[in-house]
Amino acid sequence: EVQLVESGGGLVQPGGSLRLSCAASGFTFSSYWMHWVRQTPGKGLVWVARINSDGSSTSYADSVKGRFTISRDNAKNTLYLQMNSLRAEDTAVYYCAREGGVSSRAFDIWGQGTMVIVSS
Amino acid sequence: EIVLTQSPGTLSLSPGERATLSCRASQSVSSSYLAWYQQKPGQAPRLLIYGASSRATGIPDRFSGSGSGTDFTLTISRLEPEDFAVYYCQQYGSSPPRFTFGPGTKVDIK
Repeated sequence: EVQLVESGGGLVQPGGSLRLSCAASGFTFSSYWMHWVRQTPGKGLVWVARINSDGSSTSYADSVKGRFTISRDNAKNTLYLQMNSLRAEDTAVYYCAREGGVSSRAFDIWGQGTMVIVSS
Repeated sequence: EIVLTQSPGTLSLSPGERATLSCRASQSVSSSYLAWYQQKPGQAPRLLIYGASSRATGIPDRFSGSGSGTDFTLTISRLEPEDFAVYYCQQYGSSPPRFTFGPGTKVDIK
């Protein structure tokens, strides 16, 4: 079964750090570009970051650039999001998602999400 | 930066009825890079349509997408009980690389 499973969410104080992980299974992880997308409770979806298949290229939303780092370990089939200098507005459910292909740029597989709460 | 607007915000319909959801972009979007997702409460989004009109794997043919340029439409030909959910459109822009979602349309039971 093709699956993405996030972990690492939790409660953190403003200014703190957190690292999210996303374990992939059921497909050749190293062949796909991967993303993080977040969703504020009761609100819409916001793209956060992207990494290409071998980890050599990344892109970020302006709201997280310089604070968040996306990375991957293809040997471990795992995607990461290092989040530093966290702010209250970073509170959200964070999803990892697989990009189905460069021809579509759509997210065809999603994890179940992990909640991040930034609060004192 | 391209902004996506979805209308209506909420669509109240009965099972068996036809649903027509609109997604409008502030600038022209490549049809290759326009997608639609369905999200139910407590669940992750699910890809329905990519490339504006191609159904994703396992998506019933009552879901169809159309449009080009700045105006795109998701149509559900006959609503089934499991189709009541929130629907998002999404586009990709390359310079710089950005993925943008619309605010969503909620389809609820009338």
